[in-house]
Amino acid sequence: NAGVTQTPKFQVLKTGQSMTLQCAQDMNHNSMYWYRQDPGMGLRLIYYSASEGTTDKGEVPNGYNVSRLNKREFSLRLESAAPSQTSVYFCASSEGELTLNTGELFFGEGSRLTVL
Amino acid sequence: RKEVEQDPGPFNVPEGATVAFNCTYSNSASQSFFWYRQDCRKEPKLLMSVYSSGNEDGRFTAQLNRASQYISLLIRDSKLSDSATYLCAAKGTGGFKTIFGAGTRLFVKA
Repeated sequence: NAGVTQTPKFQVLKTGQSMTLQCAQDMNHNSMYWYRQDPGMGLRLIYYSASEGTTDKGEVPNGYNVSRLNKREFSLRLESAAPSQTSVYFCASSEGELTLNTGELFFGEGSRLTVL
Repeated sequence: RKEVEQDPGPFNVPEGATVAFNCTYSNSASQSFFWYRQDCRKEPKLLMSVYSSGNEDGRFTAQLNRASQYISLLIRDSKLSDSATYLCAAKGTGGFKTIFGAGTRLFVKA
Protein backbone atom coordinates (compact mmCIF):
# COMPACT_ATOMS: atom_id res chain seq x y z
CA ASN A 1 0.00 0.00 0.00
CA ALA A 2 1.99 2.98 -1.32
CA GLY A 3 -0.21 5.82 -0.02
CA VAL A 4 0.78 9.05 -1.77
CA THR A 5 3.51 8.85 -4.38
CA GLN A 6 5.26 11.90 -5.85
CA THR A 7 7.67 12.12 -8.74
CA PRO A 8 10.33 13.26 -9.25
CA LYS A 9 11.94 13.37 -5.80
CA PHE A 10 14.65 15.78 -6.94
CA GLN A 11 14.83 18.20 -9.86
CA VAL A 12 17.10 21.03 -10.92
CA LEU A 13 15.75 23.52 -13.45
CA LYS A 14 17.03 26.62 -15.13
CA THR A 15 15.02 29.82 -14.95
CA GLY A 16 12.29 29.78 -17.56
CA GLN A 17 12.10 26.02 -17.94
CA SER A 18 8.85 24.19 -17.35
CA MET A 19 8.13 21.00 -15.50
CA THR A 20 5.31 18.96 -14.01
CA LEU A 21 5.28 17.32 -10.61
CA GLN A 22 3.19 14.18 -10.55
CA CYS A 23 1.21 12.88 -7.60
CA ALA A 24 -0.89 9.75 -7.23
CA GLN A 25 -2.74 8.27 -4.25
CA ASP A 26 -4.12 4.78 -3.87
CA MET A 27 -6.37 5.36 -0.85
CA ASN A 28 -9.49 6.28 -2.85
CA HIS A 29 -9.40 9.78 -1.34
CA ASN A 30 -11.59 12.52 -2.70
CA SER A 31 -9.42 15.54 -1.92
CA MET A 32 -5.86 16.27 -2.99
CA TYR A 33 -3.50 19.15 -2.27
CA TRP A 34 -0.19 20.69 -3.27
CA TYR A 35 1.90 22.49 -0.65
CA ARG A 36 5.31 24.09 -0.76
CA GLN A 37 7.59 24.27 2.26
CA ASP A 38 10.29 26.90 2.71
CA PRO A 39 12.48 27.55 5.76
CA GLY A 40 10.65 29.66 8.31
CA MET A 41 7.44 29.67 6.26
CA GLY A 42 6.00 26.29 7.05
CA LEU A 43 3.68 24.57 4.62
CA ARG A 44 1.83 26.90 2.27
CA LEU A 45 -1.10 25.68 0.20
CA ILE A 46 -0.65 26.21 -3.54
CA TYR A 47 -3.75 24.55 -4.99
CA TYR A 48 -6.22 21.94 -3.90
CA SER A 49 -8.85 19.72 -5.43
CA ALA A 50 -11.84 19.01 -3.22
CA SER A 51 -13.03 16.27 -5.52
CA GLU A 52 -12.42 14.91 -8.99
CA GLY A 53 -13.15 17.60 -11.55
CA THR A 54 -12.62 20.59 -9.27
CA THR A 55 -9.57 22.67 -8.41
CA ASP A 56 -9.17 25.84 -6.33
CA LYS A 57 -6.43 28.26 -5.45
CA GLY A 58 -4.75 28.14 -2.11
CA GLU A 59 -2.50 30.68 -0.39
CA VAL A 60 0.23 30.96 -3.02
CA PRO A 61 -1.07 29.92 -6.47
CA ASN A 62 0.82 32.40 -8.67
CA GLY A 63 3.20 30.74 -11.13
CA TYR A 64 1.54 27.33 -10.88
CA ASN A 65 -1.18 25.36 -12.60
CA VAL A 66 -2.77 22.08 -11.59
CA SER A 67 -4.71 19.28 -13.18
CA ARG A 68 -6.87 16.73 -11.40
CA LEU A 69 -6.46 14.06 -14.03
CA ASN A 70 -8.71 11.55 -12.29
CA LYS A 71 -9.53 10.58 -8.72
CA ARG A 72 -6.05 9.18 -8.17
CA GLU A 73 -3.83 11.78 -9.78
CA PHE A 74 -3.18 15.49 -9.20
CA SER A 75 -0.34 17.19 -11.05
CA LEU A 76 1.37 20.54 -10.45
CA ARG A 77 2.91 22.43 -13.36
CA LEU A 78 5.45 25.22 -13.37
CA GLU A 79 5.17 26.89 -16.76
CA SER A 80 8.20 29.16 -16.45
CA ALA A 81 10.25 28.35 -13.38
CA ALA A 82 11.73 31.15 -11.28
CA PRO A 83 14.36 30.98 -8.51
CA SER A 84 11.62 31.95 -6.03
CA GLN A 85 10.01 28.59 -6.74
CA THR A 86 12.98 26.73 -5.28
CA SER A 87 11.31 24.75 -2.53
CA VAL A 88 10.20 21.37 -1.26
CA TYR A 89 6.82 20.44 -2.70
CA PHE A 90 4.45 18.09 -0.92
CA CYS A 91 1.39 16.46 -2.34
CA ALA A 92 -1.28 15.33 0.12
CA SER A 93 -4.65 13.66 0.07
CA SER A 94 -7.59 13.28 2.43
CA GLU A 95 -10.93 11.55 2.39
CA GLY A 96 -12.64 14.90 1.94
CA GLU A 97 -15.91 16.21 3.27
CA LEU A 98 -18.03 13.55 1.69
CA THR A 99 -17.43 11.24 4.62
CA LEU A 100 -17.29 11.78 8.33
CA ASN A 101 -13.60 11.95 9.11
CA THR A 102 -11.03 13.94 10.97
CA GLY A 103 -9.70 15.54 7.82
CA GLU A 104 -6.30 13.95 8.27
CA LEU A 105 -3.91 14.71 5.45
CA PHE A 106 -1.62 12.00 4.13
CA PHE A 107 1.53 13.35 2.55
CA GLY A 108 3.90 12.13 -0.09
CA GLU A 109 7.63 12.12 0.61
CA GLY A 110 8.19 15.46 -1.07
CA SER A 111 9.87 16.74 -4.22
CA ARG A 112 12.94 18.96 -3.86
CA LEU A 113 13.08 21.50 -6.65
CA THR A 114 15.95 23.88 -7.30
CA VAL A 115 15.63 26.63 -9.89
CA LEU A 116 18.92 28.21 -10.93
CA ARG B 1 -0.25 37.94 8.68
CA LYS B 2 -0.48 34.17 8.33
CA GLU B 3 -3.82 32.59 9.06
CA VAL B 4 -2.19 30.17 11.49
CA GLU B 5 0.73 31.33 13.62
CA GLN B 6 3.03 29.57 16.02
CA ASP B 7 6.28 30.28 17.82
CA PRO B 8 9.08 28.86 15.64
CA GLY B 9 11.28 28.08 18.65
CA PRO B 10 13.53 26.24 18.85
CA PHE B 11 12.62 24.77 22.18
CA ASN B 12 15.57 23.03 23.82
CA VAL B 13 14.49 20.84 26.74
CA PRO B 14 16.06 18.01 28.76
CA GLU B 15 14.67 14.51 28.71
CA GLY B 16 11.75 14.16 31.06
CA ALA B 17 10.68 17.78 30.79
CA THR B 18 7.19 19.00 30.03
CA VAL B 19 6.91 21.35 27.08
CA ALA B 20 3.94 23.26 25.71
CA PHE B 21 3.35 24.74 22.27
CA ASN B 22 0.70 27.28 21.41
CA CYS B 23 -0.79 28.16 18.08
CA THR B 24 -3.25 30.90 17.12
CA TYR B 25 -5.60 31.03 14.17
CA SER B 26 -7.27 34.07 12.69
CA ASN B 27 -10.15 32.52 10.75
CA SER B 28 -12.98 32.21 13.26
CA ALA B 29 -14.79 29.94 10.81
CA SER B 30 -12.14 27.24 11.15
CA GLN B 31 -13.76 24.02 12.22
CA SER B 32 -11.12 21.34 12.63
CA PHE B 33 -7.69 21.53 14.16
CA PHE B 34 -4.66 19.28 14.11
CA TRP B 35 -1.11 18.83 15.27
CA TYR B 36 1.32 17.23 12.81
CA ARG B 37 4.84 16.06 13.49
CA GLN B 38 7.59 16.44 10.89
CA ASP B 39 10.99 14.83 11.22
CA CYS B 40 13.97 16.36 9.44
CA ARG B 41 13.70 16.00 5.66
CA LYS B 42 10.55 13.90 5.98
CA GLU B 43 6.90 14.47 5.26
CA PRO B 44 4.50 15.67 7.99
CA LYS B 45 2.40 13.03 9.73
CA LEU B 46 -0.66 13.50 11.88
CA LEU B 47 0.12 13.49 15.59
CA MET B 48 -3.38 14.16 16.82
CA SER B 49 -6.60 15.95 16.03
CA VAL B 50 -7.76 18.62 18.49
CA TYR B 51 -11.28 18.54 19.86
CA SER B 52 -13.17 21.21 21.78
CA SER B 53 -13.19 19.12 24.92
CA GLY B 54 -9.47 18.53 24.73
CA ASN B 55 -7.94 15.17 24.07
CA GLU B 56 -5.08 13.10 25.32
CA ASP B 57 -2.98 10.42 23.71
CA GLY B 58 -0.40 9.00 26.07
CA ARG B 59 2.08 11.75 26.88
CA PHE B 60 0.44 14.21 24.49
CA THR B 61 -2.48 16.49 25.33
CA ALA B 62 -4.15 18.85 22.89
CA GLN B 63 -6.52 21.66 23.80
CA LEU B 64 -8.69 24.01 21.78
CA ASN B 65 -9.86 27.41 22.98
CA ARG B 66 -12.34 28.75 20.46
CA ALA B 67 -13.00 31.98 22.31
CA SER B 68 -9.35 32.98 22.15
CA GLN B 69 -8.74 31.18 18.88
CA TYR B 70 -5.75 29.14 19.94
CA ILE B 71 -4.79 25.52 20.22
CA SER B 72 -2.10 24.00 22.37
CA LEU B 73 -0.02 20.86 22.58
CA LEU B 74 1.48 19.60 25.81
CA ILE B 75 4.17 16.95 25.80
CA ARG B 76 4.93 15.34 29.14
CA ASP B 77 8.04 13.32 30.03
CA SER B 78 9.85 14.33 26.84
CA LYS B 79 11.87 11.66 25.05
CA LEU B 80 14.84 12.09 22.73
CA SER B 81 12.61 10.70 20.00
CA ASP B 82 10.21 13.63 20.41
CA SER B 83 12.76 15.89 18.74
CA ALA B 84 11.02 17.13 15.60
CA THR B 85 9.08 20.04 14.19
CA TYR B 86 5.47 20.31 15.33
CA LEU B 87 3.02 21.92 12.93
CA CYS B 88 -0.41 23.12 13.89
CA ALA B 89 -3.13 23.22 11.26
CA ALA B 90 -6.65 24.57 10.88
CA LYS B 91 -9.30 23.46 8.45
CA GLY B 92 -12.02 25.94 7.59
CA THR B 93 -15.53 25.94 6.32
CA GLY B 94 -15.95 24.83 2.79
CA GLY B 95 -13.84 22.39 4.63
CA PHE B 96 -11.19 21.46 2.18
CA LYS B 97 -8.41 23.91 2.83
CA THR B 98 -6.05 22.96 5.61
CA ILE B 99 -3.74 25.82 6.54
CA PHE B 100 -0.55 25.19 8.47
CA GLY B 101 1.51 27.25 10.83
CA ALA B 102 5.24 27.62 10.22
CA GLY B 103 6.08 24.92 12.77
CA THR B 104 7.84 24.82 16.13
CA ARG B 105 11.14 23.00 16.42
CA LEU B 106 11.75 20.89 19.49
CA PHE B 107 15.10 19.50 20.57
CA VAL B 108 15.11 17.08 23.48
CA LYS B 109 18.55 16.63 25.03
CA ALA B 110 19.90 13.75 27.10
